[in-house]
Amino acid sequence: GQQVMQIPQYQHVQEGEDFTTYCNSSTTLSNIQWYKQRPGGHPVFLIQLVKSGEVKKQKRLTFQFGEAKKNSSLHITATQTTDVGTYFCAGLSGNTPLVFGKGTRLSVIA
Amino acid sequence: DAGITQSPRHKVTETGTPVTLRCHQTENHRYMYWYRQDPGHGLRLIHYSYGVKDTDKGEVSDGYSVSRSKTEDFLLTLESATSSQTSVYFCAISRGLAGGLYEQYFGPGTRLTVT
Repeated sequence: GQQVMQIPQYQHVQEGEDFTTYCNSSTTLSNIQWYKQRPGGHPVFLIQLVKSGEVKKQKRLTFQFGEAKKNSSLHITATQTTDVGTYFCAGLSGNTPLVFGKGTRLSVIA
Repeated sequence: DAGITQSPRHKVTETGTPVTLRCHQTENHRYMYWYRQDPGHGLRLIHYSYGVKDTDKGEVSDGYSVSRSKTEDFLLTLESATSSQTSVYFCAISRGLAGGLYEQYFGPGTRLTVT
């Protein structure tokens, strides 16, 4: 079945450093979504990418969808302590339900 | 959060006992989902529903059953709980956004411990 791999599993950064998490799918995706989960909380939707090569920005967050629609990335510029949490990608392919990656846990050291 | 609640929020139970978790939504969404979250495994789909009495299995459905007799309620049952089912369980709905996009909107979660 469809698999979504996400790396790295953990990332520790100094406040102000950049952060990137990568997502790769075993199948071509119709769209990819990104979620953030704060410690002790529930996942919260951040964004959805649909088009090949699409790039979207939300303040310091930049999301990209690969040309082949099999990979995606989330880049955070100048991390802040409020960015702490686990970031998940989730891919949709055909008529199958959304498949989540295992997430990247981000720690930010002040 | 507004629109979706889960009960109970915390439960400790013994191996072999039946357990039912409830998800309730107030927004009349058609699709509802049950996930479990474990360290190192991310979010894994257990079962989902696409309407009243319409359900299907997810990736990790063994040992779980679901029911949806009303649009607003989606129940997850562990017929005979095992320690491997100790986890955090999230319910989610598929909610439409502007531009024809959809998000998974999650409930607050239920922390289940099976001793």
